[in-house]
Amino acid sequence: EDKVVQSPLSLVVHEGDTVTLNCSYEVTNFRSLLWYKQEKKAPTFLFMLTSSGIEKKSGRLSSILDKKELFSILNITATQTGDSAIYLCAVEPRTLLSTLGRLYFGRGTQLTVWP
Amino acid sequence: DAGVIQSPRHEVTEMGQEVTLRCKPISGHNSLFWYRQTMMRGLELLIYFNNNVPIDDSGMPEDRFSAKMPNASFSTLKIQPSEPRDSAVYFCASSFELAGTDTQYFGPGTRLTVL
Repeated sequence: EDKVVQSPLSLVVHEGDTVTLNCSYEVTNFRSLLWYKQEKKAPTFLFMLTSSGIEKKSGRLSSILDKKELFSILNITATQTGDSAIYLCAVEPRTLLSTLGRLYFGRGTQLTVWP
Repeated sequence: DAGVIQSPRHEVTEMGQEVTLRCKPISGHNSLFWYRQTMMRGLELLIYFNNNVPIDDSGMPEDRFSAKMPNASFSTLKIQPSEPRDSAVYFCASSFELAGTDTQYFGPGTRLTVL
């Protein structure tokens, strides 16, 4: 069965720290890996990665995928209290019938940033 | 642009009652997903539709759960009869199936409490 494992489950840091969140996966016929940020409401999309070794960046957030070792990391530099959220990793397999975008989610990492 | 719309936002009901959750996907999106999120199990896919057709309902917990998508702009998730263990946040998400860009966009969720 396809599986996505995130670590750590929970992380508490102070403002200004740099954090690295991990996501490892086992999926048949990998297509893409996605990172979402979930604050009090719905998950919001951060990154989609499909190619190994290519870093995606958005401000202080960046992510990279290693398709050989089957993992991805999400880095947040100079953390702020507004970064406090659950960060979800999801993997999309390529289906035989069509690319229907079915995602398998990890349990998430709860990040808390103290002032 | 209106995002995914869900209603109601909160629902409190008594065990045994029927519950209907509603979702309007983003206009133009052709895939729709129903998820359930709990502290214990994280984000679980219940069912998803492509072009209004149910593709995979293997995540539906049991026969008490049913979902329909009568047209491209509306879907319902029904629980009958409801049980306390159904208490969770139910998310609807939609995406447009296009190679490399089928990111899922989540609605605000319905927080269901079954007493």
